[in-house]
Amino acid sequence: DAGVIQSPRHEVTEMGQEVTLRCKPISGHDYLFWYRQTMMRGLELLIYFNNNVPIDDSGMPEDRFSAKMPNASFSTLKIQPSEPRDSAVYFCASSTDKTGAPNTEAFFGQGTRLTVV
Amino acid sequence: DQQVKQNSPSLSVQEGRISILNCDYTNSMFDYFLWYKKYPAEGPTFLISISSIKDKNEDGRFTVFLNKSAKHLSLHIVPSQPGDSAVYFCAASDIGDYKLSFGAGTTVTVRA
Repeated sequence: DAGVIQSPRHEVTEMGQEVTLRCKPISGHDYLFWYRQTMMRGLELLIYFNNNVPIDDSGMPEDRFSAKMPNASFSTLKIQPSEPRDSAVYFCASSTDKTGAPNTEAFFGQGTRLTVV
Repeated sequence: DQQVKQNSPSLSVQEGRISILNCDYTNSMFDYFLWYKKYPAEGPTFLISISSIKDKNEDGRFTVFLNKSAKHLSLHIVPSQPGDSAVYFCAASDIGDYKLSFGAGTTVTVRA
């Protein structure tokens, strides 16, 4: 498997513009997570899905952020309108509970570095 | 409020010596703990984990120690190698919950 695939790798946009980040999880994984990495707070969980259903979006900072998972192989994170303080690296990760283990590690994509100017 | 804390943002160690990374947590419901390693421009990759029924887990040069009463865990790397230079994240979850809470990370630099 190619692993978790994120696009684009880098995004530079002007304040006020809409930004859409994309993620393809590992095939067969039923959990998908969106994280944001900043210097001050490290990796923050924004939202996660189980079987395409949003389970916990308490980490989504504001209504400007939204995430969707229309099918098992694709998810988007949208910021509208974008602001300079949204600049960060956004990671998508996936995992599965089908191994029968009580917990398992999440596999991360390479991230999207977002810069809002 | 961050439930997982890594209070040392950076650590410098000489090649061949031991690296000790520390992590504290506040949520008493956490019972599964992981360490991730991250190189620049890459995503974090899983390194080692430990469940609360154990106090030690070893995998090659990497050992994780858990002190539940102190809500503290540590990662030991022995011996440290230049390729170990990376950011290390501590993470935790409730058993059966696949949501991970991460610390802010510790940047390790191994000097030749």
